[in-house]
Amino acid sequence: DQQVKQNSPSLSVQEGRISILNCDYTNSMFDYFLWYKKYPAEGPTFLISISSIKDKNEDGRFTVFLNKSAKHLSLHIVPSQPGDSAVYFCAVSSGTYKYIFGTGTRLKVLA
Amino acid sequence: DTGVSQDPRHKITKRGQNVTFRCDPISEHNRLYWYRQTLGQGPEFLTYFQNEAQLEKSRLLSDRFSAERPKGSFSTLEIQRTEQGDSAMYLCASSSISGAYQETQYFGPGTRLLVL
Repeated sequence: DQQVKQNSPSLSVQEGRISILNCDYTNSMFDYFLWYKKYPAEGPTFLISISSIKDKNEDGRFTVFLNKSAKHLSLHIVPSQPGDSAVYFCAVSSGTYKYIFGTGTRLKVLA
Repeated sequence: DTGVSQDPRHKITKRGQNVTFRCDPISEHNRLYWYRQTLGQGPEFLTYFQNEAQLEKSRLLSDRFSAERPKGSFSTLEIQRTEQGDSAMYLCASSSISGAYQETQYFGPGTRLLVL
C-alpha cells in the first residue's frame, strides 16, 4: 500500500512556463515534506522542504505548497528552464529519519 | 564542498558472489542512512545509523545484508550470496543532529549493482 503517490509519471512544459508537480500522501502523522531532483546515474539532490506548521515555502524559482487537509503537496517551478529536466521525487517523514518517497515524476522542459 | 561519496559507483557481479559498498558521509554529519532504488520506484529505506549505532533496519534488509559504521564515520553495506533481485541503485545519505526536530538528508551519487 503506497503511502506517497505521484500520479503523473511524466510532465512536459515549455521553457519559461510554470511546472507544477504533485504528490499525495495518506498518513496525517507525516510532518516534514521534501522535494528532490534526480538526474540519471546520480543520487537525489535536495531542492526544498516544508514543515507541517507552514503551508508555503519559497526558494528562488521553487515554491512548495502544503495542503494538510487534502494531504497534498505540490512543487511549482517558475520560470521553468531546460536544466530543470530531471525526475522529481517527493519525500515525507514523521520523524528525523526514514523518508518515504513517491515514485517520481519525469519533467521535461522544452526549449 | 565535500558531499556524500560512495564507492564503487558501479559493480557487476555474478549471482552468489559477495559485494561490499562504502559510503563516506558529510564530515560533520552523525546520522547515516542506506536506501535502495529500483527502476521506476523511489528510494526505499534500508537502515539508519546514529554515530556507530545501527538504530533501525527495514524488513527489506534480509539476513544476507549487513551494514556497519564502526567508528561513526564511513559505513559499509555488504550483500552476501547476491541474487538477481538485488540489482538496484544503493544510495547513502547523511544528516546532522541540529537540535531541530526535522533534518534534511543529503544523498551520495549511489552505487549501481548489477547481478548477472
